Amino acid sequence: GESVGLHLPTLSVQEGDNSIINCAYSNSASDYFIWYKQESGKGPQFIIDIRSNMDKRQGQRVTVLLNKTVKHLSLQIAATQPGDSAVYFCAAGSTGYSTLTFGKGTMLLVSP
Amino acid sequence: GAVVSQHPSWVICKSGTSVKIECRSLDFQATTMFWYRQFPKQSLMLMATSNEGSKATYEQGVEKDKFLINHASLTLSTLTVTSAHPEDSSFYICSARVPIAGGPSGELFFGEGSRLTVL
Repeated sequence: GESVGLHLPTLSVQEGDNSIINCAYSNSASDYFIWYKQESGKGPQFIIDIRSNMDKRQGQRVTVLLNKTVKHLSLQIAATQPGDSAVYFCAAGSTGYSTLTFGKGTMLLVSP
Repeated sequence: GAVVSQHPSWVICKSGTSVKIECRSLDFQATTMFWYRQFPKQSLMLMATSNEGSKATYEQGVEKDKFLINHASLTLSTLTVTSAHPEDSSFYICSARVPIAGGPSGELFFGEGSRLTVL
């Protein structure tokens, strides 16, 4: 089955730094990937997604990179702010199959 | 973006009682909703897929008689934890997918979660 994991459980950065959160997936059939942000006591919030026909997608202060060769994706947050402190999950799915598999999560701690 | 609302946001109950959690899509119709369970400092684990007008599809290891799911309308799914025990204490999160033409992979929106504590 699918397994999606994260390399670093906790990432501590200074305000203003760029943050990079990594994720690996195992199912080659996965073709849809999403990053979610979850603040304490709240549900996950969509950040950005990417399909397998792309290797990079940019949003506001965030960029997702996808490397299908090594089954790896990353979330880059530019100019990290204290409000970015949260747990970040990657999730993977396959077109035609509606459920997602979530990674373990990375806690991002941003110091002022 | 689309809004998914859960109620209650937190509930405390005695062991042996049943608890119902509601998940509503407020500004769109969702033929499919998903129920997740999340333990502290862990990831979301899919429990079941709730299908409007038909039986829910449960993931392996999830007791369907323990976690009753009803999706009676296109905007409401309910999860009932029956005969709750302390080990059922968890954060329960629902999600709904905004349908898009041509496939099921529309954006998934999550509710705010419901924290259940069983004494």
